[in-house]
Amino acid sequence: GIQVEQSPPDLILQEGANSTLRCNFSDSVNNLQWFHQNPWGQLINLFYIPSGTKQNGRLSATTVATERYSLLYISSSQTTDSGVYFCAVIDNYGQNFVFGPGTRLSVLP
Amino acid sequence: DTGVSQDPRHKITKRGQNVTFRCDPISEHNRLYWYRQTLGQGPEFLTYFQNEAQLEKSRLLSDRFSAERPKGSFSTLEIQRTEQGDSAMYLCASSPRRRGGDSEQYFGPGTRLTVT
Repeated sequence: GIQVEQSPPDLILQEGANSTLRCNFSDSVNNLQWFHQNPWGQLINLFYIPSGTKQNGRLSATTVATERYSLLYISSSQTTDSGVYFCAVIDNYGQNFVFGPGTRLSVLP
Repeated sequence: DTGVSQDPRHKITKRGQNVTFRCDPISEHNRLYWYRQTLGQGPEFLTYFQNEAQLEKSRLLSDRFSAERPKGSFSTLEIQRTEQGDSAMYLCASSPRRRGGDSEQYFGPGTRLTVT
């Protein structure tokens, strides 16, 4: 099945800093989503982005499907951005998500 | 649109007992998914429904697990004879069906199961 890698595994930032999170996947996909999991376990949708670029406030994402990677950019980070960021993909054959291992982000005041 | 809801939010049970969880998807979403997440890991797929039909099951879904979606609305996930290894967060998601196949999944808050 499809493999999903995320980097870095852990990231510590000072409030106000910018960061880039990366997701690599091993096969063609027809669905890619980025999620933020808050301390209570809720997965919050950030982007549905199987290809192209999207922006939402301080966050933006780019997926280059032909090169099998996606990037999540967080600008001017805030303490409330802390948590785990997951990339999840669905390959061209399936219907269910395969999640990456996540990037744990800590934003310090 | 009230989002995906799950009940209960927390469940503590003794080993060997049966437990049942409920998921109510976003109304008019015809696809419903169950995932399991253990500490420090990403969610793992368990099973998927389109309307009332269970179309796919992971090998993680042992014969102690059963899921139903009667009438294509809410779904239940039952675990029989629970084991300590079943302790995890159980997540439900739903998505609408779109022309071309795939669409965005929305997750509920999860049910955290602790087996003592």
